[in-house]
Formats: sequence, structure tokens, C-alpha cells
Amino acid sequence: DTGVSQDPRHKITKRGQNVTFRCDPISEHNRLYWYRQTLGQGPEFLTYFQNEAQLEKSRLLSDRFSAERPKGSFSTLEIQRTEQGDSAMYLCASSYEARTALSGNTIYFGEGSWLTVV
Amino acid sequence: KNQVEQSPQSLIILEGKNCTLQCNYTVSPFSNLRWYKQDTGRGPVSLTIMTFSENTKSNGRYTATLDADTKQSSLHITASQLSDSASYICVVMPNAGGTSYGKLTFGQGTILTVHP
Repeated sequence: DTGVSQDPRHKITKRGQNVTFRCDPISEHNRLYWYRQTLGQGPEFLTYFQNEAQLEKSRLLSDRFSAERPKGSFSTLEIQRTEQGDSAMYLCASSYEARTALSGNTIYFGEGSWLTVV
Repeated sequence: KNQVEQSPQSLIILEGKNCTLQCNYTVSPFSNLRWYKQDTGRGPVSLTIMTFSENTKSNGRYTATLDADTKQSSLHITASQLSDSASYICVVMPNAGGTSYGKLTFGQGTILTVHP
């Protein structure tokens, strides 16, 4: 399967613990996005990368959240000192986009990583 | 504040029937508008992408329309099948210049249920 891969698919953690999600984008895709989705709602933007550069970060992301894409390939999203409100599905997506062009290419999503904080 | 509003929130139709889902947006200016299908517990799958200069785009039994003047889009599904049961999400990519291309704004989705 050459789609966007996310790991783990499901994670149950106790409040206060740290969790890390990994995303492997489609090969040669230079853009990588993180979104968060709660039940009954559409996904909300968290952050995105162009290669290894983090270009934008949502105000939704508190200091407890950090995302990296060190070599411009896979990415990690870490949540420190988890809270119950962090329970959601974390979606990763990727695409190939020219930096200065109007973006019209397909953005491919992974199957998501479900986080439950108890 | 950029917003994407979809209607109806949910819709039930019989297999074989057609339906139309609506999307109103206030994102301006925008780069493109996308429709995604999302099965329960799965990631969204792209159906169509339209730039501001396009009026219609088809993908099999799915046809999307766009009126950039009224900031409205619709997704028409013909000859519905049981497998069409899913959430359909309207997504707008802004054209704010610089680095904002990646910040998609999603609607809350329309939940479609197709009954036999």
C-alpha cells in the first residue's frame, strides 16, 4: 500500500501521559498536514509542512503540542501532558505542491490515529 | 473568520435515488473548493477539486458545481448506492498568499444514509 500511513491507529492513554503519533506520507510528496477531528465535526487544521519547514501552526495548538518533520519525509506529532479534551482522531495528509503555485493537487489522507485520554 | 457551512446536516434516501448536498462558504479569496467522502472511522477521500474559475466537475456519479459569485457549491449524487452512505465534506483552500495554502477549512459534513 503506497498511501499515507499513520501509526498507531488507536491509542488509549492516561491523563498526564505523553503520546506520539507518526505519519509516513506518500513518497515524494513535499507537503504534509496534520488535522484533528472530533465526533460529528469536520477536521480542524493543526499544522502543515513544506518539506522539513513547518509553515503554519494553528492557534488551536497549545504549547503541549509539537510536530516535526526532520528530514522532509515522515512526521511526528507529540502531545505532552495529555488532557481529556485531547481525545480525538488525528489525521495526517500529504500532497505534492509547487510552493508558489495555486494549490490544486489532490490531498491524500491517512486513516487517522484515534486518541482516547482516560 | 473563515467558515464553511453545509446543509442538510443529514439526509436519508432510497437506493437508486439522486440527491444534492449544499455548501456555502465565506472564505475569500479562495484557491479551490474540494468535496471529500468520509466513511465512519476512516480518513477522508477526495471526490472533486474545483478552482474559482470552474463551474462544474464530475467524478463518476458525483458532480460538483461552484458559483464563486454567490459562494455556493453543491454535490449531486446520481443513482445512489448503499456504499454511498458516508459523510460528505466540503473543503475550501484559501488564497491568502504566502504560506496559507495548506490551511484547509472543512465544513461539518452532511451525513448521507442510503437505504435499500
